[in-house]
Amino acid sequence: DTGVSQNPRHKITKRGQNVTFRCDPISEHNRLYWYRQTLGQGPEFLTYFQNEAQLEKSRLLSDRFSAERPKGSFSTLEIQRTEQGDSAMYLCASSLWGSGANVLTFGAGSRLTVL
Amino acid sequence: AQTVTQSQPEMSVQEAETVTLSCTYDTSENNYYLFWYKQPPSRQMILVIRQEAYKQQNATENRFSVNFQKAAKSFSLKISDSQLGDTAMYFCAFMKHAGNTPLVFGKGTRLSVIA
Repeated sequence: DTGVSQNPRHKITKRGQNVTFRCDPISEHNRLYWYRQTLGQGPEFLTYFQNEAQLEKSRLLSDRFSAERPKGSFSTLEIQRTEQGDSAMYLCASSLWGSGANVLTFGAGSRLTVL
Repeated sequence: AQTVTQSQPEMSVQEAETVTLSCTYDTSENNYYLFWYKQPPSRQMILVIRQEAYKQQNATENRFSVNFQKAAKSFSLKISDSQLGDTAMYFCAFMKHAGNTPLVFGKGTRLSVIA
């Protein structure tokens, strides 16, 4: 297993465009999380899935944001009508819920720059 | 809601010396997990050490150890024999033991190890 994989690693887009990020978790992990991290700050929770069910969404996740995990494997995070304030690193993590400490394993992140 | 506070935005330490990073948290829960994650420059976040609140013994992982003070809601990280590769952002994080709750992060401490 190669860990949590995120694509693309970098995305530069113009304001108003839509962008989509993909996360491939560790294969046996049943939980998948999305976080947003701005420069010099800690990660902020956006949403998470257990298998294909989206269990919680943060108030940070505006109507322009949508996340899916259709088959309980990979997940996508789409941002519609991007704004400059959306510029951030989007982190994906996965974990095996029920394994005790529920340790999250993070991907390298997808950096979004909105011009 | 749980909050995690890291009061030291930046710290530096000489190579081979010992440094302690502070973390306090606020919760009404009795059972929970605490974590320290490391995020090297331009690299992904990795777990350094974790502590289960019901365990009184402080966790250790090689050169990394914690001082967990449950009553004071304090969870500091000690790095012994600091190495250049320890240079990174360090994030303290909290997770409730039960229920569907995400990992909550502090804002981080930037540690620089100086040769």
